Amino acid sequence: SQQGEEDPQALSIQEGENATMNCSYKTSINNLQWYRQNSGRGLVHLILIRSNEREKHSGRLRVTLDTSKKSSSLLITASRAADTASYFCATDRGDYKLSFGAGTTVTVRA
Amino acid sequence: DAMVIQNPRYQVTQFGKPVTLSCSQTLNHNVMYWYQQKSSQAPKLLFHYYDKDFNNEADTPDNFQSRRPNTSFCFLDIRSPGLGDAAMYLCATSSFHQGMSTDTQYFGPGTRLTVL
Repeated sequence: SQQGEEDPQALSIQEGENATMNCSYKTSINNLQWYRQNSGRGLVHLILIRSNEREKHSGRLRVTLDTSKKSSSLLITASRAADTASYFCATDRGDYKLSFGAGTTVTVRA
Repeated sequence: DAMVIQNPRYQVTQFGKPVTLSCSQTLNHNVMYWYQQKSSQAPKLLFHYYDKDFNNEADTPDNFQSRRPNTSFCFLDIRSPGLGDAAMYLCATSSFHQGMSTDTQYFGPGTRLTVL
């Protein structure tokens, strides 16, 4: 069943701006992951943050995790047209299954 | 490159006509998953194989079945497709062993199913 809720549902920004999206979940987790999906394609893993971590960076991506609030955020800095995609958070409860949120659709305008 | 391959990329079938979607992987991962994703929605797990063990999600309709003849291949069979089964079907893999796992899932490009 779907555990994550993402906010906003859609986001439109200018190239070079930062994009922030949030994910909330309901039950305790082992880790939280973010995936990107280009239109009509499969999902690509971006970054994983474990339940004992608070912040993680990968290139232009920054993820935070607040387990007390059961929420996470994904920041994409200095956005590019190629960042246009849907972004999904997924929670892992340690049973090798992921529960995905409904996603945030990001459009980066040139 | 190691990868997850899905065939066909686009499948058109008629209402009630059985269809089979295929997935293969070169990652040698022991877990394979099938997801259904409808437009602007989250991927929904239908079932998965942990090695040879089949695990059905409680709300997966009986109309959907799966086969995994070996580590590399997994098939999704839709016995009598309805209009509501039109969706993107995603195959994914992961490596899970007690005490050591990749945690992440590797997805194929998906098969877009149209039901006429």
